[in-house]
Amino acid sequence: QQQVKQSPQSLIVQKGGISIINCAYENTAFDYFPWYQQFPGKGPALLIAIRPDVSEKKEGRFTISFNKSAKQFSLHIMDSQPGDSATYFCAATGANSKLTFGKGITLSVRP
Amino acid sequence: NAGVTQTPKFRILKIGQSMTLQCTQDMNHNYMYWYRQDPGMGLKLIYYSVGAGITDKGEVPNGYNVSRSTTEDFPLRLELAAPSQTSVYFCASRGRRNTEAFFGQGTRLTVV
Repeated sequence: QQQVKQSPQSLIVQKGGISIINCAYENTAFDYFPWYQQFPGKGPALLIAIRPDVSEKKEGRFTISFNKSAKQFSLHIMDSQPGDSATYFCAATGANSKLTFGKGITLSVRP
Repeated sequence: NAGVTQTPKFRILKIGQSMTLQCTQDMNHNYMYWYRQDPGMGLKLIYYSVGAGITDKGEVPNGYNVSRSTTEDFPLRLELAAPSQTSVYFCASRGRRNTEAFFGQGTRLTVV
């Protein structure tokens, strides 16, 4: 049973475009929803995170939109750059402290 | 600041051998995690710990064991290595429940 599902599986965007990655979760006890970014040969690193008491959080070019009733949250990357090319994971955690990840999506930003 | 340190970075094991993947953090974090990453499969949780002396199973614990005798260290033990355990292993830690998790650089393990 996959508790956190990402879509699409891969994404190709032109430089300057908007990248949108979606994530759906099943466990309503989750209360923290981070996005991680991973470059080849490196460990994942936190990009941005949101709690369910807010519907949107923005940090620079990165925005999380959260829809509690639909049990979905998404990552928007504005003005996408080639340096944003990486693997992106959504994740979720709750009171049991397990940190559960989605399968990841490979983003390629074409120059 | 070393953060989360994993050793070794690379290892080749023969089927049936055993080994321990080391993970240590210098941030005094209570929560520590072990994940394996396989192509297209994301990060799957093997074991996790919420403090010294406390460990619990994740999604894929079979074939692995852990211990947490100190806050800093969270070693992962592979007994009787199998080809299915060929993967990249990541250790992570975080200070409080809903905060950033910091990852190590990973250990690439090949079982032949």
